[in-house]
Amino acid sequence: EVQLVESGGGLVQPGGSLKLSCAASGFIFSGSAMHWVRQASGKGLEWVGRIKSKTNSYATAYAASVKGRFTISRDDSKNTAYLQMNSLKTEDTAVYYCTRRSNPTYWFFDLWGRGTLVTVSS
Amino acid sequence: QSVLTQPPSASGTPGQRVTISCSGGSSNIGSNTVNWYQQLPGTAPKLLIYSNNQRPSGVPDRFSGSKSGTSASLAINGLQSEDEADYYCAAWDDSLNGVFGGGTKLTVL
Repeated sequence: EVQLVESGGGLVQPGGSLKLSCAASGFIFSGSAMHWVRQASGKGLEWVGRIKSKTNSYATAYAASVKGRFTISRDDSKNTAYLQMNSLKTEDTAVYYCTRRSNPTYWFFDLWGRGTLVTVSS
Repeated sequence: QSVLTQPPSASGTPGQRVTISCSGGSSNIGSNTVNWYQQLPGTAPKLLIYSNNQRPSGVPDRFSGSKSGTSASLAINGLQSEDEADYYCAAWDDSLNGVFGGGTKLTVL
């Protein structure tokens, strides 16, 4: 089955760190760019960042709101992408979705995980 | 505040045609393609339209998309009760950022 499964969410104090994982199955993970999108409760979608494939030098890009605090990485041997979140703020509280961009020409996400909830609170 | 602007709500009765607008700028919609996502209550978003007007396999042809300049629209013909959901437009921005609209909550009356 083609799917993405996020894990690693939970409760963390402000200033703390958390690392999310996104396990892929059913498709050639190494060929796809992987993105993270988040959604605060009752709010809209916010793009967090992405990592391209090895062919594209694993290039990363981040939203201004997380740049310098979040790091996206991947392990193609494990078919897994990661989101390392440091210096967490209360406004980072959200459901974090892992998504796939499989089309190299056009930018869209054709596969989404179910999401994992991150709560930043003291 | 979202980079792409959508109306917060829309509504229609079964069988009606409903359109949802999405307004952006020259660095996003103006120079890149637009996508639309449908998010049913309590679920992850699902790709509805890509590359301005293309439907993924399995999406009914009641859904259509269009783009002109720095604006885009999603149209739903023959509205059905199961279409009640949140709809988001999205595009890549040349500043190396993905951008979304704030979302439109569609109510089927």
